[in-house]
Amino acid sequence: DIQMTQSPSTLSASVGDRVTITCRASQDISIWLAWYQHKPGKAPKLLIYQASTLHSGVPSRFSGSGSGSEFTLTISSLQPDDFATYYCQQYNSHTFGQGTKLEI
Amino acid sequence: QVQLQESGPGLVRPAETLSLTCSVSGGSLSRVYWTWIRQPPGKGLEWIGYIDYTGSTTYAPSLGSRVTISADTSKNQFSLNLTSVTALDTAVYYCARATNAKGVEYWGQGTLVTVSS
Repeated sequence: DIQMTQSPSTLSASVGDRVTITCRASQDISIWLAWYQHKPGKAPKLLIYQASTLHSGVPSRFSGSGSGSEFTLTISSLQPDDFATYYCQQYNSHTFGQGTKLEI
Repeated sequence: QVQLQESGPGLVRPAETLSLTCSVSGGSLSRVYWTWIRQPPGKGLEWIGYIDYTGSTTYAPSLGSRVTISADTSKNQFSLNLTSVTALDTAVYYCARATNAKGVEYWGQGTLVTVSS
């Protein structure tokens, strides 16, 4: 199975900060990676697919990059609504990363 | 707009079968994967499996033969059965729609299932 490892597990930041979350795959997955935002009590939301394509309606402060086995999600200027848990997921065996909790 | 809604018992006894149904409205039925994902309390998201537009199924190896996903296209529903449940199966269960291009684009709101006697 392909394993997905996110770092960090927890990230403390402030409104206006630029933050980056990393996701590493145990093998080459090309660009077949998605990023999701998840808030307590809500359904997760798709942010980025195919590693770098912004999903419809997602603010442009979110961006994704990478290919092969290393990927990043960047939020250019944190807004209060962005504090949540973020997950990466690779398409092939559908494995999720363990999540990164972004807290104030 | 695609909408999904989970339904089923919120409490299941140990060793029994967890059964959930997802009702779907809107969107295309072609080239999509009707998916179940869960989140145990305090833990991350775990992909359970899917049934695709041809009726083929794929399941997480960790769940082995305990899981079955089926679909009733006449009712626009798909279902999850998980047998021989234990407390470790306590989780919020999400139904979702995925595609090869985008991953999981649409999610239900989730339903909490507790395994307890």
